Amino acid sequence: GAVVSQHPSWVICKSGTSVKIECRSLDFQATTMFWYRQFPKQSLMLMATSNEGSKATYEQGVEKDKFLINHASLTLSTLTVTSAHPEDSSFYICSARSGQGVGTGELFFGEGSRLTVL
Amino acid sequence: AQSVAQPEDQVNVAEGNPLTVKCTYSVSGNPYLFWYVQYPNRGLQFLLKYITGDNLVKGSYGFEAEFNKSQTSFHLKKPSALVSDSALYFCAVRDQGNTPLVFGKGTRLSVIA
Repeated sequence: GAVVSQHPSWVICKSGTSVKIECRSLDFQATTMFWYRQFPKQSLMLMATSNEGSKATYEQGVEKDKFLINHASLTLSTLTVTSAHPEDSSFYICSARSGQGVGTGELFFGEGSRLTVL
Repeated sequence: AQSVAQPEDQVNVAEGNPLTVKCTYSVSGNPYLFWYVQYPNRGLQFLLKYITGDNLVKGSYGFEAEFNKSQTSFHLKKPSALVSDSALYFCAVRDQGNTPLVFGKGTRLSVIA
């Protein structure tokens, strides 16, 4: 199946700093990428839908100024957590779907990024 | 709006026994249904999907799922469980548009030797 690479896998930062997480589709072009957040022992919560070349669409309750999403190319989307605070500590997972319908609609997931804000 | 229900937080099964992880869904129109598995501190791995066609779908690692339209269910099954199947399993659904997947809360499967 298609491969989605997410980096970094683990990041620890001080409160007030910003952290960037990258999501790359390695062997297909991803016109749409999705960013999810997962709290311990809970399901995945969709944060935003990222479309190449346009602004991201954020889910209700997600602060777009805090979670900046950029989808500058067909293979890369980034999530920047700005002015991070301990409550932003979480597991962030990206996923991608090809505009050509790789796998007829199935999503391919990155390995996730564990963010810990001290 | 789309939704998924996984009624069991935890499923315990003895190694070698059959396993079932339940999932029901709600979606307008025809559903696209998926099962994913997650190991600790990892992303999600695709197991199988139902788009159209045969109601019984076979996927990775010997898993299968049956689409039941009348009961709006898509239960995950495996004839003989392995200890290595122990993980967190997510059912997900979306409609046929370019919409995000909606996930169930997950079911933790524990296979005991």
